[in-house]
Amino acid sequence: EAQVTQNPRYLITVTGKKLTVTCSQNMNHEYMSWYRQDPGLGLRQIYYSMNVEVTDKGDVPEGYKVSRKEKRNFPLILESPSPNQTSLYFCASSTGTSGGGDTGELFFGEGSRLTVL
Amino acid sequence: QKEVEQDPGPLSVPEGAIVSLNCTYSNSAFQYFMWYRQYSRKGPELLMYTYSSGNKEDGRFTAQVDKSSKYISLFIRDSQPSDSATYLCAMSWYSSASKIIFGSGTRLSIRP
Repeated sequence: EAQVTQNPRYLITVTGKKLTVTCSQNMNHEYMSWYRQDPGLGLRQIYYSMNVEVTDKGDVPEGYKVSRKEKRNFPLILESPSPNQTSLYFCASSTGTSGGGDTGELFFGEGSRLTVL
Repeated sequence: QKEVEQDPGPLSVPEGAIVSLNCTYSNSAFQYFMWYRQYSRKGPELLMYTYSSGNKEDGRFTAQVDKSSKYISLFIRDSQPSDSATYLCAMSWYSSASKIIFGSGTRLSIRP
């Protein structure tokens, strides 16, 4: 089954304690990205990756790191989490573009709810 | 001003009603328009996709784009309780997933 898998699904942590949210996709997609979803603000892009070893900042990258060492995996790293990073996080993957002149469909994971105390 | 504005709702309608969901936007360069549906505790999934202006129909769903008014709509006919979800509009000026901008979502509830 084609899917994007995120772990953990739920996490409560404390300020300053480094954490990693993993993301893996089995669709051989080149493009992967991370979003955070907050009430009233919708989905905002944190970082994205067009391919292995190619990453770029989205709209809200401060406080986050990513790496893309393998095509299927795109972990999100919070080196020193703060309470304002409490949010619902989504990983997504896509072909990037279908080549037919559209943006390519985004396939989302089920989300990781993070609480930073 | 946000690039994409969407009424957050919640919107509650009886089963069988016609639902209209809308988004306005400010960037006239947008030419790729999408609607994603998000069920509770799930990730969004693509529902409809439209390029440039015009209408697109898929079963009970119709997506409409009016570029002159910078306004897009999603109509749901014969609404069902299973349509209860949050609907996010999304758009891009470039044919790349990296440039998609999302609205904040409208929460829809269909009453049996």
